[in-house]
Parts: sequence; structure tokens; C-alpha cells
Amino acid sequence: AQSVTQPDIHITVSEGASLELRCNYSYGATPYLFWYVQSPGQGLQLLLKYFSGDTLVQGIKGFEAEFKRSQSSFNLRKPSVHWSDAAEYFCAVGAREYGNKLVFGAGTILRVKS
Amino acid sequence: SAVISQKPSRDICQRGTSLTIQCQVDSQVTMMFWYRQQPGQSLTLIATANQGSEATYESGFVIDKFPISRPNLTFSTLTVSNMSPEDSSIYLCSVEWPNTEAFFGQGTRLTVV
Repeated sequence: AQSVTQPDIHITVSEGASLELRCNYSYGATPYLFWYVQSPGQGLQLLLKYFSGDTLVQGIKGFEAEFKRSQSSFNLRKPSVHWSDAAEYFCAVGAREYGNKLVFGAGTILRVKS
Repeated sequence: SAVISQKPSRDICQRGTSLTIQCQVDSQVTMMFWYRQQPGQSLTLIATANQGSEATYESGFVIDKFPISRPNLTFSTLTVSNMSPEDSSIYLCSVEWPNTEAFFGQGTRLTVV
């Protein structure tokens, strides 16, 4: 069965510090990978996606993620966190072989302290 | 990119009643998806709706509880029937991602009292 694991439920970082959010997946097909952000009371906003090609992908708001097939990981990174980055982050995986539907991780809540 | 509009954005409903959520897309799409996000939880797929065929439901979701319509390539509805407080969630619609990304509506925040 397809599954996505975000091992960190909460992460707290200081403003200006670097950030890495972890995502591991288990998928029987070639995965397409996404990171979404959800601010309180808001909808989902796509940060970045990986379909193929360069395994280091750049997204909006200064985020990047690296696809590592050998580790089944797609970790999200940002070199310097801003207070406005405080939100919940979801990793999601899909595949055309599974009808394009997405499987989401449990989410990681990011807190930024000043 | 696709723009997805959901209505209503939020509602408070009495238990035992039903609510129909509408999802309108600004372009034609073959596949539309309905997700549920329970309080403090991640998103779970309810069903996939293709135009011209019955919706396909995921394990744990049934048509009697969550009937879905898909009358054309730009519109779908999800009904939450005979509601109970456990149905209090955010319901989101999404469209297929042919080449880019899975677009989501802003969601419908449902509270059942």
C-alpha cells in the first residue's frame, strides 16, 4: 500500500535558522512528489513538486526539496526561516498508475520563534 | 493553472441534515477528487469523480453517505448526508494534474452541531 511518513509532528526553529522537514514514502510506482503548506484557516498552497529530471527542485518562498530515490525521501529545506513560514506542511505522493490521486503525510507543524 | 471555487466556504449544520458542497473549475478536467481533512488531521481521499461515470470511493467511504455528482467537465458536488458531529471537517476538492500540480479549492469548513 502507498504511504507517506512525516516523522516530525512539530518542529520549532528560530527565525533566521535553517529548516529541514522530512518526508519518506512507500510507493509501488514511479512517484510524483509534492509539498504543500497550509496556514491556519487557509487552503493548501503548493510549494514545489517533483515529476522527473533534476532531483533538487526549487519552489516558492525560498523552499527547495531533494528527491532521493535510494532513501525514498523528499525532504523540504529552507536556508533561513521567516516568521511568516509558521504553518503546517504536508508531503504528498501520487502516481498515474494509481489514478492520479494523492496520498498525504500526517503533516508537520512548524513554529518559528523570534 | 486551474482556478477552483468551492461553495460554501464554511457552514454550521444541524445533525441529521445534509449539506451539498459545490466545486467549480475554470477549465475542463477529466478527474476531480474530494478530500476530507478532519480536525488536526491530514487529508484523506473520499472519492474520485469522473464525468459520465459513477464516482469511485475509497475504503471507508460509501455513496449513501457521500453522494457525488459530476454533470460536466467543470463542476462537481459532494453531499454529506445525515450529518453527525464526526463529520465536522474541512472538505476540499481537487483536480487532476496532467503535467504540473494537483490544484485544490480553498475548502469548505463544516461544523455539525
